[in-house]
Amino acid sequence: DGGITQSPKYLFRKEGQNVTLSCEQNLNHDAMYWYRQDPGQGLRLIYYSQIVNDFQKGDIAEGYSVSREKKESFPLTVTSAQKNPTAFYLCASSSLDGRIEKLFFGSGTQLSVL
Amino acid sequence: GDSVTQMEGPVTLSEEAFLTINCTYTATGYPSLFWYVQYPGEGLQLLLKATKADDKGSNKGFEATYRKETTSFHLEKGSVQVSDSAVYFCALSDQGGGNKLTFGTGTQLKVEL
Repeated sequence: DGGITQSPKYLFRKEGQNVTLSCEQNLNHDAMYWYRQDPGQGLRLIYYSQIVNDFQKGDIAEGYSVSREKKESFPLTVTSAQKNPTAFYLCASSSLDGRIEKLFFGSGTQLSVL
Repeated sequence: GDSVTQMEGPVTLSEEAFLTINCTYTATGYPSLFWYVQYPGEGLQLLLKATKADDKGSNKGFEATYRKETTSFHLEKGSVQVSDSAVYFCALSDQGGGNKLTFGTGTQLKVEL
């Protein structure tokens, strides 16, 4: 079945530690996105990528980093510079064939600070 | 910049009641509009969309009409079920924005027997 896989489902971070969230898709989509979800604030865009080896900052990129070495993969690293990392992180993908397409979302990773 | 405003929740209804969740937007140009639904512990799923003024999106008994004159995209359902309990997000996609979505804050719906 085609889809987006996020792992792990739950992740704990210690002070000063970098952690990496995995996102893999087998939908052959060009574009991938990372959103952060906080209670009462909806979803906010962290980073997005429209093509391999290229990515752009979203609205809240500070304290995060990404890479796009393969079309299928778009890992997100939450660095120690992110002082409030506890949130639900959602990865998404879409095609870019000129039409307005829906986003396909993974099932999310809940990150908590120990 | 672009923004989406949704009514605050939670909204609590009895089964078979009529549902309206208000959504208004601010955007330059002519955005596409979406409703996504999130069930507990899961990612978001597209519920319906509309890409131009006066379009009506519909799915699973839910409807929303793209109203350019009032910059609104209110979600409605004539008779809700317990299984409709979820968080509903209104979103817009700017033209030429590479499918980046701007989301509202979400509205939690609880349907009781």
